[in-house]
Amino acid sequence: NAGVTQTPKFQVLKTGQSMTLQCAQDMNHNSMYWYRQDPGMGLRLIYYSASEGTTDKGEVPNGYNVSRLNKREFSLRLESAAPSQTSVYFCASGAQGNTEAFFGQGTRLTVV
Amino acid sequence: GQQLNQSPQSMFIQEGEDVSMNCTSSSIFNTWLWYKQDPGEGPVLLIALYKAGELTSNGRLTAQFGITRKDSFLNISASIPSDVGIYFCAGLVTGNTGKLIFGQGTTLQVKP
Repeated sequence: NAGVTQTPKFQVLKTGQSMTLQCAQDMNHNSMYWYRQDPGMGLRLIYYSASEGTTDKGEVPNGYNVSRLNKREFSLRLESAAPSQTSVYFCASGAQGNTEAFFGQGTRLTVV
Repeated sequence: GQQLNQSPQSMFIQEGEDVSMNCTSSSIFNTWLWYKQDPGEGPVLLIALYKAGELTSNGRLTAQFGITRKDSFLNISASIPSDVGIYFCAGLVTGNTGKLIFGQGTTLQVKP
């Protein structure tokens, strides 16, 4: 029972490089989320998708793009990484009307 | 935008003591959730609250959804060493499908 799977688990990027963080869920959930976690800042919402085909900005969307490829997958893209994007990124999913979001294990990203 | 203020930021207590933490917001939420995060892991749901005034327990944990719908608290009774971790409150934004906002977290340390 995989739940929410994120890849990669760790990544180091140079400033200006691009990359895509992958997320997939096998719980048939409609809603999916991307958060970043920084010390003392809690979890801040980057983007979310309430259903397949829709995406909306969260609290800190600048510097990121997302794609809801299908119901299972929600990817986060950094087009030109900056050191300020060094963080732990979490993907989560939840059933529509039920906000008990379930989290992946996280991706630890360092931008040098 | 919507913000959740969680307090205290950190707590260091003796094993066996009771713990209380709370979240407040200037906005109304129609769902409150409490999560715990262990080091290196994603947050895991502890308690979900769906109705104003609701009081829900999960073992030694008790949480309440404030009457005004702008606050919630979590109590842990008779703390044990495995309660160590970061506790987050989260709220679903009223009238907005799927937008789940988190507090800054309370770091709990328990001294055996």
